[in-house]
Amino acid sequence: AQKVTQAQTEISVVEKEDVTLDCVYETRDTTYYLFWYKQPPSGELVFLIRRNSFDEQNEISGRYSWNFQKSTSSFNFTITASQVVDSAVYFCALSEAVSSNDYKLSFGAGTTVTVRA
Amino acid sequence: DADVTQTPRNRITKTGKRIMLECSQTKGHDRMYWYRQDPGLGLRLIYYSFDVKDINKGEISDGYSVSRQAQAKFSLSLESAIPNQTALYFCATSDPGGYGYTFGSGTRLTVV
Repeated sequence: AQKVTQAQTEISVVEKEDVTLDCVYETRDTTYYLFWYKQPPSGELVFLIRRNSFDEQNEISGRYSWNFQKSTSSFNFTITASQVVDSAVYFCALSEAVSSNDYKLSFGAGTTVTVRA
Repeated sequence: DADVTQTPRNRITKTGKRIMLECSQTKGHDRMYWYRQDPGLGLRLIYYSFDVKDINKGEISDGYSVSRQAQAKFSLSLESAIPNQTALYFCATSDPGGYGYTFGSGTRLTVV
């Protein structure tokens, strides 16, 4: 079963619009971490944000914000006032324990965001 | 120098050939991972290693093998490459506790 689901395959917006990316995860652990990564056309993975399972406080960092809700197992990500440089594939990921100190990271399928000028 | 270095960056190989993708890290972490990325499927875990003597299969290990030569080095091999192994491959390392992952720049492999 897919541990991380990103229901949106592609999103296309016009510059300056806000973009919200949905992510739903599945885990039995009480301690875990959630991530968002960006993959621009050049191919590298760029770390954006991280949240641990004990901290549901939602924050804003520049044009990025996130909404973590344990009750619905969701970790949504918003880009405010999108720019053409935001065009990329965005991945949500879940880090779960395999043993006490060992974790592995599972990714969603990704959402391709296209921002048109 | 990058924290995680993958070589080669790009490779085209023929069906049936053996190929090795190499990964080295300077983070001093014990934990290393190999992922494969295909369009529309995200990154899927091939193999992972929590220390030099520990090797574990991920969700898509068939057709691949790995070698953990040292704490800093983790190689992925395709014993007999086939076209559906054409993909972007990422190596990663993590700190203990699953809090921080560092990825290499990726190896784009094409099997013709």
